[in-house]
Amino acid sequence: AIQMTQSPSSLSASVGDRVTITCRASQGIRNDLGWYQQKPGKAPKLLIYAASRLQNGVPSRFSGSGSGTEFTLTISSLQPEDFATYYCLQDYNSPFTFGPGTKVDVK
Amino acid sequence: QVQLLESGGGVAQPGGSLRLSCVASGFNFSSYGMHWVRQAPGKGLEWVAFIRFDGSYQFSADSVKGRFTLSRDNSKNTLYLQMNSLTTDDTAVYYCAKRAPRASFLFDYWGQGSLVTVSS
Repeated sequence: AIQMTQSPSSLSASVGDRVTITCRASQGIRNDLGWYQQKPGKAPKLLIYAASRLQNGVPSRFSGSGSGTEFTLTISSLQPEDFATYYCLQDYNSPFTFGPGTKVDVK
Repeated sequence: QVQLLESGGGVAQPGGSLRLSCVASGFNFSSYGMHWVRQAPGKGLEWVAFIRFDGSYQFSADSVKGRFTLSRDNSKNTLYLQMNSLTTDDTAVYYCAKRAPRASFLFDYWGQGSLVTVSS
């Protein structure tokens, strides 16, 4: 199975900060990667698909990049509603695997 | 709007069985593959299984293979997860999720989740 790692595992930031989260795959996955945001007690929400395509309705401050084995999620200017845990997911092949998550909290 | 509503969760004993249901609305259910994803308390997300839009094939994580079976009834807009030989490691919130139309196998909409607790 493809292993996904994320860094950092957590970060503290302030409103207005630029935040970058990295996701790495144990083998090449083309651009078959998505990013999800999850708030406590809620189902995850798809932010980015195909590594860099913004899901409908997601604010443009979210962006994704990368291909192959290294990917990034960037929040250009952190907003109060963005404090959450972020997961990457590879959908290149089964079993589809998530990264362990990155928790973004208030500095 | 897309809605997915899971039900059937609860408490089961180790070695027991449960069947989860997921009723879909707001989209053409029979045109989309569906997934189950789970999250153990305080842990990360784990993909469980996928079933094709017409139910013709499915695949699952090694952790549930041979124990969990997906099925769907497109006439009822309903997805099922039959869980047998449950262990305490299966304790989790189970989400059904709809395959996204423009991605490989990603899922775009999720249900609210159904808690399964396996305990003696």
